[in-house]
Amino acid sequence: DAGITQSPRYKITETGRQVTLMCHQTWSHSYMFWYRQDLGHGLRLIYYSAAADITDKGEVPDGYVVSRSKTENFPLTLESATRSQTSVYFCASSGGALPGEQYFGPGTRLTVT
Amino acid sequence: KNEVEQSPQNLTAQEGEFITINCSYSVGISALHWLQQHPGGGIVSLFMLSSGKKKHGRLIATINIQEKHSSLHITASHPRDSAVYICAAASGAGSYQLTFGKGTKLSVIP
Repeated sequence: DAGITQSPRYKITETGRQVTLMCHQTWSHSYMFWYRQDLGHGLRLIYYSAAADITDKGEVPDGYVVSRSKTENFPLTLESATRSQTSVYFCASSGGALPGEQYFGPGTRLTVT
Repeated sequence: KNEVEQSPQNLTAQEGEFITINCSYSVGISALHWLQQHPGGGIVSLFMLSSGKKKHGRLIATINIQEKHSSLHITASHPRDSAVYICAAASGAGSYQLTFGKGTKLSVIP
């Protein structure tokens, strides 16, 4: 499918388990982002990537790991899930030499029990 | 860290009304984004602007850099405009780090 996709769309997991959320874009955009959205906080940046093999921390990176071996994929891993990581996770991408308008994926609703 | 404030938090309007949503930020920015989030959760970028005004259909976004303020206007509002509108300030090297407001929930009643 063209565009930006996320999988799974819904996930329930237990505390302490490792979980990987997938993000795939077909535009060959350089920039990719992971956000979490929580009531009362709005959207917050977890990690971002300016290109393959270049990643950096955002506002709330603790407990998360990212990688970007290919331009089109930007997986987010929760190494040991905690209840505080229950959230809706959005991936986004942006093209151009400098990031501009961002295109968001449909989101993954993650519940940690 | 940039603080981004939106007002109002909630807004109910009659169909056809002119709507204004405000966004203010505390630190100088390179660009201001307006996003729309529909009840199903999907997020769509409406505008990215660094000065002046942009228009797309019935939507108009303005920014005043000196006053650190932006507005989103919707003319002739329609029930399909019902959504959460989010502003986000781009600051930091490369303009990729966005700080988001908490959103304005708009309900347009027929």
